Amino acid sequence: EPEVTQTPSHQVTQMGQEVILRCVPISNHLYFYWYRQILGQKVEFLVSFYNNEISEKSEIFDDQFSVERPDGSNFTLKIRSTKLEDSAMYFCASSSWTFVFDTEAFFGQGTRLTVV
Amino acid sequence: QKEVEQDPGPLSVPEGAIVSLNCTYSNSAFQYFMWYRQYSRKGPELLMYTYSSGNKEDGRFTAQVDKSSKYISLFIRDSQPSDSATYLCAMRGDNNNAGNMLTFGGGTRLMVKP
Repeated sequence: EPEVTQTPSHQVTQMGQEVILRCVPISNHLYFYWYRQILGQKVEFLVSFYNNEISEKSEIFDDQFSVERPDGSNFTLKIRSTKLEDSAMYFCASSSWTFVFDTEAFFGQGTRLTVV
Repeated sequence: QKEVEQDPGPLSVPEGAIVSLNCTYSNSAFQYFMWYRQYSRKGPELLMYTYSSGNKEDGRFTAQVDKSSKYISLFIRDSQPSDSATYLCAMRGDNNNAGNMLTFGGGTRLMVKP
């Protein structure tokens, strides 16, 4: 069964450092997303990406965040200067269409980011 | 008022019981409604997806949407210990924009005891 793959599974970084979280979406999917879940809190939308550009972003997704699809398979989330409050589980997701015709949004297993 | 509210539980039931999980929401623009299952420290797994009001059944799972009451439900029949997980409701609006954001509830933790 196809799946969304995220690496690393756990990343520890020092405050102020840059981190890049990586995702390989399902190969024929066109829409890519990042969500995060702070421990004990809701899953929150960060950004969606389609046709090589951001299609929607939340207020969490400020100038410290950026996304990129550097090649035909990877989708990355960069946090430029990490803060303690960026510690969370980050989920990548992909879908083949915008929830039309019973398509599904598949989530990866997540990257646990710990900022110390 | 929070956009999507969900009782955090935990909800503890015996094996074989019928489970009812619910969410309420305030944004009348929501049109697509999903239920995800999340095991500890794993990603959300899509269980059910419905559009607008009505019922949808898939095996032991039934999703109901009542837009007039802004209330959605997930029923699990013949619950199994393997159903023990956190259940997240999620929803989004309906427009032609690609990649609309999902708004999640906080999740209900379900424990099914053998």
